[in-house]
Amino acid sequence: DVLMTQTPVSLPVSLGGQVSISCRSSQSLVHSDGNTYLHWYLQKPGQSPQLLIYRVSNRFSGVPDRFSGSGSGTDFTLKISRVEPEDLGVYYCLQSTHFPYTFGAGTKLELK
Amino acid sequence: EVQLQQSGAELGKPGTSVKLSCKVSGYNIRNTYMHWVNQRPGKGLEWIGRIDPANGNTIYAEKFKSKATLTADTSSNTAYMQLSQLKSDDTAIYFCAMRDWFAYWGQGTLVTVPS
Repeated sequence: DVLMTQTPVSLPVSLGGQVSISCRSSQSLVHSDGNTYLHWYLQKPGQSPQLLIYRVSNRFSGVPDRFSGSGSGTDFTLKISRVEPEDLGVYYCLQSTHFPYTFGAGTKLELK
Repeated sequence: EVQLQQSGAELGKPGTSVKLSCKVSGYNIRNTYMHWVNQRPGKGLEWIGRIDPANGNTIYAEKFKSKATLTADTSSNTAYMQLSQLKSDDTAIYFCAMRDWFAYWGQGTLVTVPS
């Protein structure tokens, strides 16, 4: 199975600040069709995960441009600028290139 | 508006089975894969498998092949997951999700299996 290593586990932030979350995969996430199926989600307490970024760098409908994704191959990053209170929660990456699909262990974004 | 409505919480007896449902409105499930994901208490997300409701084809993560059975009823636009031989380790919230990149999620169903 593809191991998704997310860092850091916990990320203290000040409102208005900028943070980055890393997600590294144990093998390349480039699919045979040429696409890279790496996505980012935010799970707020007591809620279902919500899609933020799909296929590395595409913001899902309604996601503010404060969120951006980048990376290639095995190394990916989610950046959040001008952090707002509604951004707090646990962030997960997901690879859907290889079966079984696998999630990172999560990064908890919390206030300093 | 796309909505996924999951069935209510279950208290399962060890050794028995439960069947969870995920009713979709606002989108025809024939046109998407339906995925199931679990989250054990205080833990992360784990992909269980997916079904193509158009033909019933399924793919499971290896560890769930003898645990979960995915089905779908296109006439009612509903996906199902049966969990068998319940044990305390199956205690978790189970989510259904659909569309490309898991764009839409149900609210989750809590399954509790006492030890």
